Amino acid sequence: SQELEQSPQSLIVQEGKNLTINCTSSKTLYGLYWYKQKYGEGLIFLMMLQKGGEEKSHEKITAKLDEKKQQSSLHITASQPSHAGIYLCGADYQYYGGSQGNLIFGKGTKLSVKP
Amino acid sequence: DTEVTQTPKHLVMGMTNKKSLKCEQHMGHRAMYWYKQKAKKPPELMFVYSYEKLSINESVPSRFSPECPNSSLLNLHLHALQPEDSALYLCASSQAASRGRVSPNYGYTFGSGTRLTVV
Repeated sequence: SQELEQSPQSLIVQEGKNLTINCTSSKTLYGLYWYKQKYGEGLIFLMMLQKGGEEKSHEKITAKLDEKKQQSSLHITASQPSHAGIYLCGADYQYYGGSQGNLIFGKGTKLSVKP
Repeated sequence: DTEVTQTPKHLVMGMTNKKSLKCEQHMGHRAMYWYKQKAKKPPELMFVYSYEKLSINESVPSRFSPECPNSSLLNLHLHALQPEDSALYLCASSQAASRGRVSPNYGYTFGSGTRLTVV
């Protein structure tokens, strides 16, 4: 089963509108990452959240991690065509015994912004 | 330098060819990763190197052979691939704490990827 669920799968918004993308984990997160990807290109790092209740902002994008560290939301204010792309949340689950971390991704949200 | 550089950007190879993908970073990161991404799917982890040693192999077929010759370079050697191996191959790096444990405080930096087509 998918450990990290992202919703919605796709989103079409009018330019200037606000939007929210959600990412829910089936278990407690050690670190939660948000990336943006243009089709066929690499991942652009947006934000990383680690502490329960943490909130970070960069330009018009705000990400929050809930207190229980199992859900994160990405909010874009006054969307622009440049925000279009695929948004991926990635989770780092803490491993014990010295094993390496493994960044697991949700299925992504495709965002289209209509001018 | 805060980038992960991947070469080539595009690669077309036949099923009998041998080729290599290269990844380079100069951020002092001691953990490096190979991910495979099929169209409209999220990236999936293939290999993890920590301090130049292979620490995770996610049951990847032997036709994919990773190599980490030094702390800045990561290679993926390809041999006898199948058409279904066509995908975007992404390299990433991160800080690595002692005993191979990745510290998430520093995040993961991804390259732009190599678009591989197997014909």
